[in-house]
Amino acid sequence: DIQMTQSPSSLSASVGDRVTITCQASQDISNYLNWYQQKPGKAPKLLIYDASNLETGVPSRFSGSGSGTDFTFTISSLQPEDIATYYCQQYDNLPLGYTFGQGTKLEIK
Amino acid sequence: QVQLQESGPGLVKPSQTLSLTCTVSGGSISSGSYYWSWIRQPAGKGLEWIGRIYTSGSTNYNPSLKSRVTISVDTSKNQFSLKLSSVTAADTAVYYCARARREVTLDYWGQGTLVTVSS
Repeated sequence: DIQMTQSPSSLSASVGDRVTITCQASQDISNYLNWYQQKPGKAPKLLIYDASNLETGVPSRFSGSGSGTDFTFTISSLQPEDIATYYCQQYDNLPLGYTFGQGTKLEIK
Repeated sequence: QVQLQESGPGLVKPSQTLSLTCTVSGGSISSGSYYWSWIRQPAGKGLEWIGRIYTSGSTNYNPSLKSRVTISVDTSKNQFSLKLSSVTAADTAVYYCARARREVTLDYWGQGTLVTVSS
């Protein structure tokens, strides 16, 4: 099984701050890594696909980078509406399918 | 714009079978190369993939749930369904349906439905 280690598990930052979340895979997953935002009581929303591609309609302050085993998700300037939990997700060969990181809960200071 | 909507009982008794349906609108479930998945999330916890069905009807399941899960598709109704048998309190969660494009990326999600397992 490929294990995904996402960190930190929680993060407190101020409006305007640069925020970074990391996700590490236990083995090479190429660029099969996506990032989602989940607000309380809502479904996850796709923000970044294939490690670094911005989904249509997503603000450009969100970005992703990395390949292989180490990936980074960045919010360049934190906005109040960015308060949410963020998950990385990788796709493994069957039968394991889709696995998610543990999540990072982002709060405003 | 594709939309997904889960439906089904919100309360299921232990040992019984949980049954949910996902209705897809804004596009045909049988067109394009999409996978249709079920994912769940216990309260305050992370996301767990349950399984998926392809437009051809082929299925794949999470090994940890495989013995209890059946996913099927009804193209005439533009729906796909989940059955999870022999449920326990550990199966209490919000259940989401989602579409995967290019197999890897879950791009559209339903709003989720809470299923509680309790007598």
